[in-house]
Amino acid sequence: AQSVAQPEDQVNVAEGNPLTVKCTYSVSGNPYLFWYVQYPNRGLQFLLKYITGDNLVKGSYGFEAEFNKSQTSFHLKKPSALVSDSALYFCAVRDFTGGGNKLTFGTGTQLKVEL
Amino acid sequence: EAQVTQNPRYLITVTGKKLTVTCSQNMNHEYMSWYRQDPGLGLRQIYYSMNVEVTDKGDVPEGYKVSRKEKRNFPLILESPSPNQTSLYFCASRGGISTDTQYFGPGTRLTVL
Repeated sequence: AQSVAQPEDQVNVAEGNPLTVKCTYSVSGNPYLFWYVQYPNRGLQFLLKYITGDNLVKGSYGFEAEFNKSQTSFHLKKPSALVSDSALYFCAVRDFTGGGNKLTFGTGTQLKVEL
Repeated sequence: EAQVTQNPRYLITVTGKKLTVTCSQNMNHEYMSWYRQDPGLGLRQIYYSMNVEVTDKGDVPEGYKVSRKEKRNFPLILESPSPNQTSLYFCASRGGISTDTQYFGPGTRLTVL
């Protein structure tokens, strides 16, 4: 089965500094990778995805992610963090195993951006 | 506005009392699914539906039922809720097998006493 891992439960960053939220994946075949964000009391919102092509993917709200096949990673990045970026971030992989068709999520990383 | 709606948003109930959480989408999406979110476990899929009258189990289907009689609606049914079903539930939809982005509802926080 496909899986993703988010090794950090929480990441703290000062506003204006670059941020990175880590994700590694384990898949058979080509990975379909996603990042979603969850603000308090809200559903998940799509940020960006990697299907094929350029290893650097740009998404919503100034976020980008770098796909690294040799390291099996898909880290989320932003050059300059904002306090409003504070939220719960989920990495996910599209899972076709067993004839299914779903997203398998990581356990989430709480991002806290402080003044 | 394109959206996925869920009702109720909050529900406190007692063990064994049947309940239904409704989910509706206005995007004419074929694919819908239910997830539960628990601390430290991320989101886990309960059931999904590829189209009307086509449903299948996800990773954690025990204790849940679903139906898909209309394209826009995908209710989640708990016939006899138990405390281990206390969780945050999300409904999601996607356009079809060739599309990738899922749209999520706002969530339903369920507490079973």
